Amino acid sequence: DVKVTQSSRYLVKRTGEKVFLECVQDMDHENMFWYRQDPGLGLRLIYFSYDVKMKEKGDIPEGYSVSREKKERFSLILESASTNQTSMYLCASSKTREGEQYFGPGTRLTVT
Amino acid sequence: EDQVTQSPEALRLQEGESSSLNCSYTVSGLRGLFWYRQDPGKGPEFLFTLYSAGEEKEKERLKATLTKKESFLHITAPKPEDSATYLCAGPNQAGTALIFGKGTTLSVSS
Repeated sequence: DVKVTQSSRYLVKRTGEKVFLECVQDMDHENMFWYRQDPGLGLRLIYFSYDVKMKEKGDIPEGYSVSREKKERFSLILESASTNQTSMYLCASSKTREGEQYFGPGTRLTVT
Repeated sequence: EDQVTQSPEALRLQEGESSSLNCSYTVSGLRGLFWYRQDPGKGPEFLFTLYSAGEEKEKERLKATLTKKESFLHITAPKPEDSATYLCAGPNQAGTALIFGKGTTLSVSS
């Protein structure tokens, strides 16, 4: 079974803090993705990566950065957290670029 | 614009009352359509992949079908534990990522 894990289920941070969200997959997938999910807006792609040290911007990259130093690990960084980044953050991985994605359990981030 | 549109947004059924959820996909050249189930506060769980018009996949009370531009998720004799949000997704035109619909929230009451 594919397993994608995320470092925290719930996180509360203050405005202006630097926030790290980590994601690890154990299926040797090349592709990894970060989404945020908000009521009424659905899943929106923040960043994705096709290979180690490689990253591509998704639809809403502003205010975020990513790091992929190892194949199995993909980190999302909020450089200076703001209240409008309060959301559910979901990490996913896939074997092929257009193939099915497998999701982690999500991190519910609250920025106060 | 690449789009995946799901309808209805919400669906309430009685236990045992069969129905269908719709997903329409506007990207030219179908290269796969995916169905997911998402429970509140959790990540989406992969259900099915469909690649060809006419293809069908089944799992318990769920059956996914695909035409050239639409997919249907048929739910036969649903139970309360089928209550969830069902998402569909397809590759964008560039083939770089999946586009997700906003989902159909299904509630099944006993």
